[in-house]
Amino acid sequence: DAGVTQSPTHLIKTRGQQVTLRCSPKSGHDTVSWYQQALGQGPQFIFQYYEEEERQRGNFPDRFSGHQFPNYSSELNVNALLLGDSALYLCASSSGRASIADTQYFGPGTRLTVL
Amino acid sequence: AQKVTQAQTEISVVEKEDVTLDCVYETRDTTYYLFWYKQPPSGELVFLIRRNSFDEQNEISGRYSWNFQKSTSSFNFTITASQVVDSAVYFCALSSNSNSGYALNFGKGTSLLVTP
Repeated sequence: DAGVTQSPTHLIKTRGQQVTLRCSPKSGHDTVSWYQQALGQGPQFIFQYYEEEERQRGNFPDRFSGHQFPNYSSELNVNALLLGDSALYLCASSSGRASIADTQYFGPGTRLTVL
Repeated sequence: AQKVTQAQTEISVVEKEDVTLDCVYETRDTTYYLFWYKQPPSGELVFLIRRNSFDEQNEISGRYSWNFQKSTSSFNFTITASQVVDSAVYFCALSSNSNSGYALNFGKGTSLLVTP
């Protein structure tokens, strides 16, 4: 049973560039959430996708956008990269019961470095 | 306000010692869920436990145990007879309707180092 997978593992970009990160949910899951984890901090919620729509968004600027595909996989796009966007980006999947009880299962993350 | 506080930034113990990781939370909701995750150096967050606000029974799973006390808004995690493989960063998280529903609100984590 495959868990949550993310690609790429590492990425180096320069300021002003754009980046796309990818996530495939755990088998049987249809909801994908994205988190940003700065060094030494806990993960911060970016947004969640369900039925190909953004269901909830955290306190992140519009430079952060996403997409969910019919096969439930998801992309996170970040435009006009800033140095402060350097972080570990974690994808989590869960069932779509739309409940605070849903357990989110995380992937290994993508380490983004902005120079 | 929704908040999770893990006051212990770093803990270092010698193998076989017991260690308790503290988690204090704030929420105005009566229904909420608390979680613990483990993050080894590889970076992946590993789910350990979920507890709802109506179930205050303590839980034990092998060397792991959790103590949930609503009276003190705490959900502490104890590792008995720690092992080197327990070295990781441990996060406590909260989900509730006031916390915009689906998002997990994480604490800053406690880094546990277990030395031989």
